[in-house]
Amino acid sequence: SYVLTQPPSVSVAPGKTARITCGGNNIGIKTVHWYQQKPGQAPVMVIYYDSDRPSGIPERFSGSNSGNTATLTISRVEAGDEADYYCQVWDNAIDHPVFGGGTKLTVL
Amino acid sequence: QVQLQESGPGLVKPSETLSLTCTVSGGSISTYYWSWIRQPPGKELEWIGYIYYSGSTNYNPSLKNRVTILLDAPKNQFSLKLSSVTAADTAVYYCAKVVTGSYHVDHWGQGTLVTVSS
Repeated sequence: SYVLTQPPSVSVAPGKTARITCGGNNIGIKTVHWYQQKPGQAPVMVIYYDSDRPSGIPERFSGSNSGNTATLTISRVEAGDEADYYCQVWDNAIDHPVFGGGTKLTVL
Repeated sequence: QVQLQESGPGLVKPSETLSLTCTVSGGSISTYYWSWIRQPPGKELEWIGYIYYSGSTNYNPSLKNRVTILLDAPKNQFSLKLSSVTAADTAVYYCAKVVTGSYHVDHWGQGTLVTVSS
């Protein structure tokens, strides 16, 4: 099945820009979605259709997808952005969604 | 605003069947994909399976032989049954609504912890 690879952790200072990657074979031709999960809470979608933001998600969150890498970018990082982030695509081969392994974002 | 709420036992004995129900409010269950997703403690999200409002299903191949997802449209509910459970099935179980076409989850339940232990 299709495999999504994320770095286990990313650290960033407040006010800086965090970039979380999601690697997959030719992922650029797929549609990528991103979820934020804070401890003890259900995930919340922050980006869908590669780069669209649901209502209520700050403009600081953006997404891109090309080649073998999709990227979630968080600008002007705040302490409240500290969470686990998961990417997700649809695996056409098995007609099933697939999640990445998740990336823990630490705000220094 | 659609809301989802999981319900069911929080403790299941090994080799028995885990049964959970998801109640959908604020919208009709007669559209979209309705899914179960789980997350073992400290680990990543894992897709269990989904059911379409028509009744068609698709399950994670790694769990396929043990999983059944059913839809009860009149009650606006869908359910999960996972048989022959082991400690490895201990997890927070989420029910979720998946948008057709884009296949992203736009609504999640709060999640319920199910522990497999004697």
